Amino acid sequence: QVQLKESGPGLVQPSQTLSLTCTVSGFSLTSYNVHWVRQPTGKGLEWMGVIWTGGSTDYNSALKSRLSISRDTSKSQVFLKMNSLQTEDIATYYCARDQGDYGGYGEFDYWGQGVMVTVSS
Amino acid sequence: DIQMTQSPASLSASLGETVTIECLASEDIYSNLAWYQQKPGKSPQLLIYDASSLQDGVPSRFSGSESGTQYSLEINSLQSEDAATYFCQQHHDYPYTFGAGTKLELK
Repeated sequence: QVQLKESGPGLVQPSQTLSLTCTVSGFSLTSYNVHWVRQPTGKGLEWMGVIWTGGSTDYNSALKSRLSISRDTSKSQVFLKMNSLQTEDIATYYCARDQGDYGGYGEFDYWGQGVMVTVSS
Repeated sequence: DIQMTQSPASLSASLGETVTIECLASEDIYSNLAWYQQKPGKSPQLLIYDASSLQDGVPSRFSGSESGTQYSLEINSLQSEDAATYFCQQHHDYPYTFGAGTKLELK
């Protein structure tokens, strides 16, 4: 069955780089786009970016200068790297599958469990 | 960026009642709208896509509709398990944006 699972450090020091991994199963990264979405505790959802089936990416312009999304299709893994972390980046980070194969539809039918990230020295 | 103004921020309703949650898009999003349900400590779950299409496995008491740039989620015959926060999401243009959420409490 389709599964996504985020992993990575729960604590990052201010100004350092966040590195997260989304490991997927039950589908191929060459068939479905994968998105990253974050959610500060008790608040709303923010779309961060997407990696397309062909490997190209699109980012939220508010984060674009700090954000990088990549993948390793052989390992079924998608990576998120975001630098210069600050307290406003404290959130639960989710990866999610786009429901549409190949072209993408834009809605997310499967989500990972999320990983909580804190920024503190 | 396209702004999604969601209302109300919270509401309280009784079992068996019908509630409606709305999202107003700041521009035409051509039905590219999804609704999600999120329970505490859980990931969001897709309920409705393309404004009015019911996701597989979602109870038929959930329905979506649109009128211009106003999108609505209706929940009929409220059940206890419907207590959750609901979000709308536009995927017409980048960056995809979400409404601020509606917290539904069951009396």
